[in-house]
Amino acid sequence: EAGVAQSPRYKIIEKRQSVAFWCNPISGHATLYWYQQILGQGPKLLIQFQNNGVVDDSQLPKDRFSAERLKGVDSTLKIQPAKLEDSAVYLCASSLATLGFMNTEAFFGQGTRLTVV
Amino acid sequence: SQQGEEDPQALSIQEGENATMNCSYKTSINNLQWYRQNSGRGLVHLILIRSNEREKHSGRLRVTLDTSKKSSSLLITASRAADTASYFCATDAEGYSTLTFGKGTMLLVSP
Repeated sequence: EAGVAQSPRYKIIEKRQSVAFWCNPISGHATLYWYQQILGQGPKLLIQFQNNGVVDDSQLPKDRFSAERLKGVDSTLKIQPAKLEDSAVYLCASSLATLGFMNTEAFFGQGTRLTVV
Repeated sequence: SQQGEEDPQALSIQEGENATMNCSYKTSINNLQWYRQNSGRGLVHLILIRSNEREKHSGRLRVTLDTSKKSSSLLITASRAADTASYFCATDAEGYSTLTFGKGTMLLVSP
């Protein structure tokens, strides 16, 4: 079974530039998550989709971050403009979970390491 | 916000010893999961325990859940150097559908 694919693996940008990350979840997984993980901390949920609808985006800095899930499959996360504090690993995950059935594991991609200079 | 809080923050043991790490959380949950993260394999699911379960085993892993104390523990028996990683608990809060991670425990197993 193919895992969660993310690209790029690494990205270095200057502050105030824009950047986009791409995620291809495991086929058939309804739920897709984007997490931000700052060095030494646990993953912080930015946004959660079920199919192409947003379940939770309460911690997404909406003035600079945006995300979409096209046709309920692939997803992109964009930052515009980037700040120094956005330097982190951005993790995408997917699961079979649906509202009312959450007893299932999440599968994570390898992440994109973003450095903002 | 982060629901789970792991304890200790760091743990250093010798190969062959057992490692125990704990997780406390704040609100009622549907389930609690443990994940491992190392530089080689990223974040990997270890075990899921439902709110109506008290104990679960998987190989050298044993997880307990005490919903009255809102806490869970992960025991790794006969640890190996390859167990060196960060371990996170993640909760799916009752009434919500999001998966929230704690800050993690860094485990170092020395040969």
